Amino acid sequence: KAGVTQTPRYLIKTRGQQVTLSCSPISGHRSVSWYQQTPGQGLQFLFEYFSETQRNKGNFPGRFSGRQFSNSRSEMNVSTLELGDSALYLCASRALAGGLVQETQYFGPGTRLLVL
Amino acid sequence: GENVEQHPSTLSVQEGDSAVIKCTYSDSASNYFPWYKQELGKRPQLIIDIRSNVGEKKDQRIAVTLNKTAKHFSLHITETQPEDSAVYFCAAILNTGFQKLVFGTGTRLLVSP
Repeated sequence: KAGVTQTPRYLIKTRGQQVTLSCSPISGHRSVSWYQQTPGQGLQFLFEYFSETQRNKGNFPGRFSGRQFSNSRSEMNVSTLELGDSALYLCASRALAGGLVQETQYFGPGTRLLVL
Repeated sequence: GENVEQHPSTLSVQEGDSAVIKCTYSDSASNYFPWYKQELGKRPQLIIDIRSNVGEKKDQRIAVTLNKTAKHFSLHITETQPEDSAVYFCAAILNTGFQKLVFGTGTRLLVSP
C-alpha cells in the first residue's frame, strides 16, 4: 500500500495570504489528523477528521480549518497567514477495522510552509 | 485530563551506552502507548508500541515498559548507535469521546561515536 501523501511538499506564502494543504491517507484509512511542528517544537495537534466530520480539535485559532471528503482525503486551510505560521504541517491517518478506528497512526512526509 | 509528560527533553549518550526516555500520562483509561522516532527532516515513524494488557515489549535493541499503577511508560534503547540519534515522541490514547492520540513533547537523543 502507498503511504500517507501530502501536497505540496514545500510552499512559500506572504503574510495575509491564505493556503490550502492536502493529505491523502493510506488506502482504507478513514481518520485523518493534522499537526503543526515548528523548529525544536513538538507535535501540536490541530484537528482530526473521520467520516467527513471533525472529531477532535486542538487549541488553534479559527484561521485554521479543515475538511474531509467522502474518499477520506483531507485538506486544511490557513487564512490570513502570519509569520508564526511557518512550520512543518504533518497529517496522519488511522485505519478502520471492525467498525472501530484503530489506534496506530501513520504520518505523511509533511508540507513545509514558509510565510514571508 | 489530556496530558502526556515526557522527560528528558534532551539526552546525550556515548555510542554503546543505554538510553531511557520516560513518559507519564493522566488518563487512567489509556490503553495504547506508541513511540515514534523522527529523524532530521523526516516524518515521525512508529518504532514500537505497547498495550495495557502487557508490562513489557521488546524488539531487538528497543524495549518499552509500562507501569499502569503509576501511569508511566518508558522507552529503553540498548547498545546505542549514532543512527539512533533523533527526536523520540511518546503518546497515549485518550479514551474520552472520539478516541484521540496525545503526544508527549519529545526527547532529542544524541548518540556520540
